[in-house]
Amino acid sequence: AQSVAQPEDQVNVAEGNPLTVKCTYSVSGNPYLFWYVQYPNRGLQFLLKYITGDNLVKGSYGFEAEFNKSQTSFHLKKPSALVSDSALYFCAVRDIRRNYGQNFVFGPGTRLSVLP
Amino acid sequence: DAGVIQSPRHEVTEMGQEVTLRCKPISGHNSLFWYRQTMMRGLELLIYFNNNVPIDDSGMPEDRFSAKMPNASFSTLKIQPSEPRDSAVYFCASSLDVGRGGGYTFGSGTRLTVV
Repeated sequence: AQSVAQPEDQVNVAEGNPLTVKCTYSVSGNPYLFWYVQYPNRGLQFLLKYITGDNLVKGSYGFEAEFNKSQTSFHLKKPSALVSDSALYFCAVRDIRRNYGQNFVFGPGTRLSVLP
Repeated sequence: DAGVIQSPRHEVTEMGQEVTLRCKPISGHNSLFWYRQTMMRGLELLIYFNNNVPIDDSGMPEDRFSAKMPNASFSTLKIQPSEPRDSAVYFCASSLDVGRGGGYTFGSGTRLTVV
């Protein structure tokens, strides 16, 4: 069965420093991978996705993520963090070989705090 | 597009009362999902619909929960009777052609408090 792990509950980074939010996944075939962000009292917002092609994916608000098939990882990165990036980040995966449904598996979320 | 619209934004009710949460998906999206979010359990998929038909309701916690999608532009999640442990934020999401890589668009959620 497909699964997603986000090994860090909390990530703290100083404003202006690079940030990384980690995600590893497990699927039986080739994955679709997504990152979502949730600001306080809001729904989840799409950041970026990997379907196929270039392993480095660029998304909204200056975020990017690198798909690493050998390490089954899809870490989210940003070169210079902003205080406004503080939020809850979710990684999600779908196994494209499974046709039984259209639901994703979301990770548990990582809370990012960017300190001024 | 106004996005996925959920109502109400907040609901406070007494234990034993019926609660109905509403969702209007994005026009043209063919899949709709109900999620529940709590601190303890994170995001849980309750049920999802494809072309208005319930496909998988294995995440619905108990018979007290039911969901309907009478047409492509409206869905409800009902809890009857409600219990304090149902307190959570309930999200609705919709998507188009997820099988081709489409992502989800989430509503802003309904914060339910059962006292």
